[in-house]
Amino acid sequence: GENVEQHPSTLSVQEGDSAVIKCTYSDSASNYFPWYKQELGKGPQLIIDIRSNVGEKKDQRIAVTLNKTAKHFSLHITETQPEDSAVYFCAVSYSNYQLIWGAGTKLIIKP
Amino acid sequence: NAGVTQTPKFQVLKTGQSMTLQCAQDMNHNSMYWYRQDPGMGLRLIYYSASEGTTDKGEVPNGYNVSRLNKREFSLRLESAAPSQTSVYFCASSEKGARLTEAFFGQGTRLTVV
Repeated sequence: GENVEQHPSTLSVQEGDSAVIKCTYSDSASNYFPWYKQELGKGPQLIIDIRSNVGEKKDQRIAVTLNKTAKHFSLHITETQPEDSAVYFCAVSYSNYQLIWGAGTKLIIKP
Repeated sequence: NAGVTQTPKFQVLKTGQSMTLQCAQDMNHNSMYWYRQDPGMGLRLIYYSASEGTTDKGEVPNGYNVSRLNKREFSLRLESAAPSQTSVYFCASSEKGARLTEAFFGQGTRLTVV
């Protein structure tokens, strides 16, 4: 079955700097790759996603890149702000209804 | 606009007790899900319901049962709770499958089994 690895588990960056989180997956048939943000005490919320027919997608300060050959995709956050502090999860589609999730990255923005 | 509502928010059970976690969504979504979240492991799918009247097993269904009561409500039952079921449980819904449309999550139920 599908296996998803997410790195790093914790990332601390200075406010205003960029943050990059990477995920690798095993099943080349996977074709949908969302990123979710989870704030303390809340459920995850979708922030950006990408499908396998696209190499990069941007939404303001957030971007996701996908390398299907190498089976990895990354979340890029530029000009980080205090409100970006949260846990970020990548996920990979396993079927129409099942997502396999990474273990999460705790992002800390230092003032 | 409530979105996905879970009850209760917190629960402590003794080993062997049973309980039902309730979930309701007001977005007219077809698909609903139950996940558990454990430290360092991300979210794992317990059961899902692709549409009203159907339910299917996810990655970790053992020890759980579900009921899709109607289009709005999807409940998760623990028949005989075990300490290994201590976790945070999330309900989610999506208009179509999770690969096709965004999933919206509730705020979670923190369950402790002692």
